Amino acid sequence: GAVVSQHPSRVICKSGTSVKIECRSLDFQATTMFWYRQFPKQSLMLMATSNEGSKATYEQGVEKDKFLINHASLTLSTLTVTSAHPEDSSFYICSANRYNEQFFGPGTRLTVL
Amino acid sequence: GQQVMQIPQYQHVQEGEDFTTYCNSSTTLSNIQWYKQRPGGHPVFLIQLVKSGEVKKQKRLTFQFGEAKKNSSLHITATQTTDVGTYFCAGLDTNAGKSTFGDGTTLTVKP
Repeated sequence: GAVVSQHPSRVICKSGTSVKIECRSLDFQATTMFWYRQFPKQSLMLMATSNEGSKATYEQGVEKDKFLINHASLTLSTLTVTSAHPEDSSFYICSANRYNEQFFGPGTRLTVL
Repeated sequence: GQQVMQIPQYQHVQEGEDFTTYCNSSTTLSNIQWYKQRPGGHPVFLIQLVKSGEVKKQKRLTFQFGEAKKNSSLHITATQTTDVGTYFCAGLDTNAGKSTFGDGTTLTVKP
């Protein structure tokens, strides 16, 4: 099946710093990718839809200036958590659709101290 | 907005027993997808249902999509320890243009 990679898998940072997470579709092109956040023992919450070559579409309540999304190519989307705070600590997962299936990356666990 | 509810939240079964999780949407869905997430892992796509009343089987797993396309179920026959994990449904609302995940059902299987 299609493969979606994410980097890094884990990151620990100090409060106030920015963290960039990469999401790549390895063997297919994805004009649209999705970014989710998952808190422990909770469901996946869609944060934004990343569109190649255009602005991302953010869900209600998600600050676009805090969670910067760039989809510069058909195989790469990046999520930058700016000025991270402890409450941003979470599991961030991206996904990309191919045909009728949604393929998820392995996720990035962000811990903000 | 669209809400997708899933029950039960947790299910503990003895190995060999059956298991069912139910998914209900507040809006009519275009399709519904089911995922499995193992502890510490990421969601893995299981199946997509599109047609009203559709039933699909994957070995011991049976998936159903309701006639009104607002509910769905996943049934596992004779559970095994490898079935442990959290099962999520995700419903696509074409009016909203996006999928919403249910809260998931976490299955534990006692050997």
